[in-house]
Amino acid sequence: DADVTQTPRNRITKTGKRIMLECSQTKGHDRMYWYRQDPGLGLRLIYYSFDVKDINKGEISDGYSVSRQAQAKFSLSLESAIPNQTALYFCATSDWTGEGYGYTFGSGTRLTVV
Amino acid sequence: KNEVEQSPQNLTAQEGEFITINCSYSVGISALHWLQQHPGGGIVSLFMLSSGKKKHGRLIATINIQEKHSSLHITASHPRDSAVYICAVRSNFGNEKLTFGTGTRLTIIP
Repeated sequence: DADVTQTPRNRITKTGKRIMLECSQTKGHDRMYWYRQDPGLGLRLIYYSFDVKDINKGEISDGYSVSRQAQAKFSLSLESAIPNQTALYFCATSDWTGEGYGYTFGSGTRLTVV
Repeated sequence: KNEVEQSPQNLTAQEGEFITINCSYSVGISALHWLQQHPGGGIVSLFMLSSGKKKHGRLIATINIQEKHSSLHITASHPRDSAVYICAVRSNFGNEKLTFGTGTRLTIIP
């Protein structure tokens, strides 16, 4: 099994629907992140969490919410999906390596909002 | 101007060629990351650098903190190296934000 697992891998949904993207990890890392990738742009941070009781907004949190159900699980929700939320979404974890925070990424969820 | 600039945006080379991908950044950083994104979309961390040079197999990453520049080199390139290579920096202001470049798409032709 992958260290960071995202489900689903692909999803097509209609405008206005609520959708949840799930992320689970076996790394034992406290820090988890949700990023979004759009063509021609670098990855952008949506939300991040340093532990189960800690949730922080990233640079593009509008229209999204998250839930940290356990150390290993971090879910991203789109309450009312809109077409410009069509993107590739990545979950990541990080941990101190001794010289800096190393990151592990999931395989991504490709979301299309029609 | 983006905080992280990569060049070239696209690179096509023959198998066996020596490859160099460049990353320049404009902020003070605590670390720079090189990532590889496979055609299927998944992202793998290749290197984390705060100074000097690191080597892993055929991949070499260097960083010059004074010049705010890093390079990723691939020796004896192979078609399986075809991927998008992404540079990301973590600022030294203590926040959690990684700033990502837009990536370099590398294609190695057999």
